[in-house]
Amino acid sequence: DAGVIQSPRHEVTEMGQEVTLRCKPISGHDYLFWYRQTMMRGLELLIYFNNNVPIDDSGMPEDRFSAKMPNASFSTLKIQPSEPRDSAVYFCASSFGGRNTEAFFGQGTRLTVV
Amino acid sequence: DQQVKQNSPSLSVQEGRISILNCDYTNSMFDYFLWYKKYPAEGPTFLISISSIKDKNEDGRFTVFLNKSAKHLSLHIVPSQPGDSAVYFCAANLGSGTYKYIFGTGTRLKVLA
Repeated sequence: DAGVIQSPRHEVTEMGQEVTLRCKPISGHDYLFWYRQTMMRGLELLIYFNNNVPIDDSGMPEDRFSAKMPNASFSTLKIQPSEPRDSAVYFCASSFGGRNTEAFFGQGTRLTVV
Repeated sequence: DQQVKQNSPSLSVQEGRISILNCDYTNSMFDYFLWYKKYPAEGPTFLISISSIKDKNEDGRFTVFLNKSAKHLSLHIVPSQPGDSAVYFCAANLGSGTYKYIFGTGTRLKVLA
């Protein structure tokens, strides 16, 4: 398996524009996570899905952020409208099984909002 | 409010010596802990974990120690190698069915040859 695949790797956009980040989890994994990494706060969990259903979105910072998982092999994280403070590295991760299992991370999308 | 804290942003160690990375947490309900390693331009990769029912877990050169009374865990790497140079994150998970891992801000380890 190619691992968790995220696209794009880098995204530069202007403030106010819509941004969509994409993730393909590892086949067979039933959990999918979206994280955001910043210098000040480290890795923050934004939302996670189990079997395509959002379970906990309490980490989503504002209504400008939304995430979907239309099927087991695809998820999106959308920011609309984007703001400069959204600039960060966004990671998608997936795992199989119960709580005490490791998550496999993608390479991340570096988002810069100017 | 940072529930998982890695107070040392960076650490430098000579090759062959022991590296000790520390992590403190505030919530006594955390019952499972993991360490991840991250190289530049890559995603974090799982390194080692420990359940709260244990106080030590070892995997090759990596050992994690858990002191529940102090709400402290540490990762020991011995002997340290230049390839261990990376950012290390600790993460903690609450019980009661949640899968919400809380990560620290990371410690950048540099192993000097």
